[in-house]
Amino acid sequence: ETGVTQSPTHLIKTRGQQVTLRCSSQSGHNTVSWYQQALGQGPQFIFQYYREEENGRGNFPPRFSGLQFPNYSSELNVNALELDDSALYLCASSLDPWTGSTDTQYFGPGTRLTVL
Amino acid sequence: SQELEQSPQSLIVQEGKNLTINCTSSKTLYGLYWYKQKYGEGLIFLMMLQKGGEEKSHEKITAKLDEKKQQSSLHITASQPSHAGIYLCGADDSGAGSYQLTFGKGTKLSVIP
Repeated sequence: ETGVTQSPTHLIKTRGQQVTLRCSSQSGHNTVSWYQQALGQGPQFIFQYYREEENGRGNFPPRFSGLQFPNYSSELNVNALELDDSALYLCASSLDPWTGSTDTQYFGPGTRLTVL
Repeated sequence: SQELEQSPQSLIVQEGKNLTINCTSSKTLYGLYWYKQKYGEGLIFLMMLQKGGEEKSHEKITAKLDEKKQQSSLHITASQPSHAGIYLCGADDSGAGSYQLTFGKGTKLSVIP
């Protein structure tokens, strides 16, 4: 158990809809990163939030957005869903970035999103 | 951004055999992480390497980062069915400890009893 939870476990949406995925970080972890993992691929970095501000973004369009709340929870929102958005979405929580810590980030079990 | 190439893509070994998975980067690695993933589930942290020449072991798994910090290997000794899964290497893309990781595509390991 990593102490990171995600909801829902599975989700089915149709093209053009909007979706919100939720993550609850480990207590004390003020950094959350979101990843998209397509079938048979490694996870791809979407963005990171640190102290409720976006702190880095991968190669994803603006229709992917996020929020982080003071209670260690966060959301990933995806607008105008496309078929290629079907994937496992993982969140990972960690301590402050760039502190030289040898700690790692702890991943949740993921949300499986299917877009029809 | 850097790219990580893992080899082999898949591996089938007999229980008790040793095996090695490689991870090669197109750039110098600031921090290299190894994770294990059961199909469709979250990633389980195995080890993190930062210094060139560094080697870490946990139970029957040993990971090394070469001196030039562009390649890492994961070695499993006397494999067991519990070692089966997908092994992923990930690297800090924005400096050490950024937690903004680029991952390889993974190596799928099957262990035959």
